[in-house]
Amino acid sequence: KAGVTQTPRYLIKTRGQQVTLSCSPISGHRSVSWYQQTPGQGLQFLFEYFSETQRNKGNFPGRFSGRQFSNSRSEMNVSTLELGDSALYLCASSTGLAGEAKNIQYFGAGTRLSVL
Amino acid sequence: GEDVEQSLFLSVREGDSSVINCTYTDSSSTYLYWYKQEPGAGLQLLTYIFSNMDMKQDQRLTVLLNKKDKHLSLRIADTQTGDSAIYFCAERGYGGSQGNLIFGKGTKLSVKP
Repeated sequence: KAGVTQTPRYLIKTRGQQVTLSCSPISGHRSVSWYQQTPGQGLQFLFEYFSETQRNKGNFPGRFSGRQFSNSRSEMNVSTLELGDSALYLCASSTGLAGEAKNIQYFGAGTRLSVL
Repeated sequence: GEDVEQSLFLSVREGDSSVINCTYTDSSSTYLYWYKQEPGAGLQLLTYIFSNMDMKQDQRLTVLLNKKDKHLSLRIADTQTGDSAIYFCAERGYGGSQGNLIFGKGTKLSVKP
């Protein structure tokens, strides 16, 4: 079974641009969560999608958004990029909602975004 | 609020045991997790423990949970150079966090030959 696939692996953007990252979950998984990893803040939860609906959201500004398609694939978008958005963005999938008992989250390799 | 604390660094010699410690704050956490991250890679689930257990063993890995002190530890027996990585402790958030993972800052394990 293929794991969680994130594309692209690396991205370089400039301030003010926008970016879209993609995540394909493990086959059969319906929940996709996104996390931001930076050296200073560590791993922080962005949002979770399940059945094409955002179910949970972390404490990030509205410039960060996402969506989920009927095949469970998810995209996240960051508009008006800032230098501080440089990070590793990780996607995780699970069979059901992340909050349900014993739902294990499996992570992809991440997309490393550099904002210049 | 929820918080997970870990020491940042641990250095051991190959063949020794490694013990990585973690404290968490949310007493309602039902599952606690250990993830491993190698350079340039995502997070790999190592093991997890349910809160009604005190201990879980999986090959070279032993997880100990002290629910009273909200302390979790991961012991790696016979540590190898391939175990060098960052290890993250995580609890599942509740309430406003509704189940997303709350991570510690990670413990960087260095294994010296």
